[in-house]
Amino acid sequence: GNSVTQMEGPVTLSEEAFLTINCTYTATGYPSLFWYVQYPGEGLQLLLKATKADDKGSNKGFEATYRKETTSFHLEKGSVQVSDSAVYFCALSGDSGGYQKVTFGTGTKLQVIP
Amino acid sequence: EAQVTQNPRYLITVTGKKLTVTCSQNMNHEYMSWYRQDPGLGLRQIYYSMNVEVTDKGDVPEGYKVSRKEKRNFPLILESPSPNQTSLYFCASSGTANNSPLHFGNGTRLTVT
Repeated sequence: GNSVTQMEGPVTLSEEAFLTINCTYTATGYPSLFWYVQYPGEGLQLLLKATKADDKGSNKGFEATYRKETTSFHLEKGSVQVSDSAVYFCALSGDSGGYQKVTFGTGTKLQVIP
Repeated sequence: EAQVTQNPRYLITVTGKKLTVTCSQNMNHEYMSWYRQDPGLGLRQIYYSMNVEVTDKGDVPEGYKVSRKEKRNFPLILESPSPNQTSLYFCASSGTANNSPLHFGNGTRLTVT
């Protein structure tokens, strides 16, 4: 079956540090890949997505590239801010199991300290 | 404003007392789904619906029921809640394209004693 593996948290960084959160996946077919962010007390919201190999999703300074050869979709940001403190989820959908089957990773909590 | 609205935000109940968590979306989405979020387990899908009167089980459907009588509403029903259903619940909706992202409600924190 499908699976998404992301790095364990929590991750603690100083403001303006470089961020990488690793995400690898297992899926049949050609899934779409997503990063969602969950701020405290809120639901998840889409951060970025990529729908085919070598696509780069980007938003709010975050980037992730769909790497089919390494089955990875690592999230990066060059300079984090305190306001980026949240839980980040990697997810995939739309493989041979159909669009309705969204598989999430377990989430990585990021804390950015001033 | 496009949104998914869940109610209530917090709910404390006792074992065996039937409850319903409501979910409504105003984006005319065909697809709706319920998830539960537990520490260390991420989000797990409970039930989903691809359109009115069409529902199907997700990964952890035991102890839950859903209905989809109208396109905008997708209530989650716990007929006889148990303590292992204490969790944070999210409703979500999306369009039907493969790359359509999910839109989530703000969650319902349920405690069953």
